[in-house]
Amino acid sequence: GAGVSQSPSNKVTEKGKDVELRCDPISGHTALYWYRQSLGQGLEFLIYFQGNSAPDKSGLPSDRFSAERTGGSVSTLTIQRTQQEDSAVYLCASSPPGSRGSGELFFGEGSRLTVL
Amino acid sequence: GQNIDQPTEMTATEGAIVQINCTYQTSGFNGLFWYQQHAGEAPTFLSYNVLDGLEEKGRFSSFLSRSKGYSYLLLKELQMKDSASYLCAVREGETGANNLFFGTGTRLTVIP
Repeated sequence: GAGVSQSPSNKVTEKGKDVELRCDPISGHTALYWYRQSLGQGLEFLIYFQGNSAPDKSGLPSDRFSAERTGGSVSTLTIQRTQQEDSAVYLCASSPPGSRGSGELFFGEGSRLTVL
Repeated sequence: GQNIDQPTEMTATEGAIVQINCTYQTSGFNGLFWYQQHAGEAPTFLSYNVLDGLEEKGRFSSFLSRSKGYSYLLLKELQMKDSASYLCAVREGETGANNLFFGTGTRLTVIP
């Protein structure tokens, strides 16, 4: 597709369940980023990938959160034993090689997670 | 770490000019960015400053003062479609890293 694709767009789950959120970046983009946006809040950095490796995992809120990227393309963000405070919109972004000059990130529409 | 501050909400009149300020404290500063986010949509890139001064792009301009840790986004000839949240973000100077750290955003409402 032309843009960053995320799925599911909406997910409602019960507290304690595991969820997987998927991000398909723009073709050819080497860097991939996960952010979380809670209601009325700014974007909270979670993790970023350069290729398949994650140099910076410092933003992951707890060990219930993990992410992987395979083949330098699709990434999955997994939240285990979900809690109500995990409810948020999870945004994925990607950027092409050599993008440090402009810093432009291309965002997906996000996955809205609601934990009941 | 990062400490990025911007006003929570602003209101301005169609056709007017509005300035949205952003102050930041960060180590290894390597760029300041503004993104626009309409309700329920993905953020989209507006501007980038790494050196002091004003960058103009059509109706939008962005200013940076690194010594003061200060930036502003200036929107001219406001249109109703400019009603959105405006996110200030900073990049720190890690080699190869392009991850941005965002403020909470300023929700701008343009009224007729």
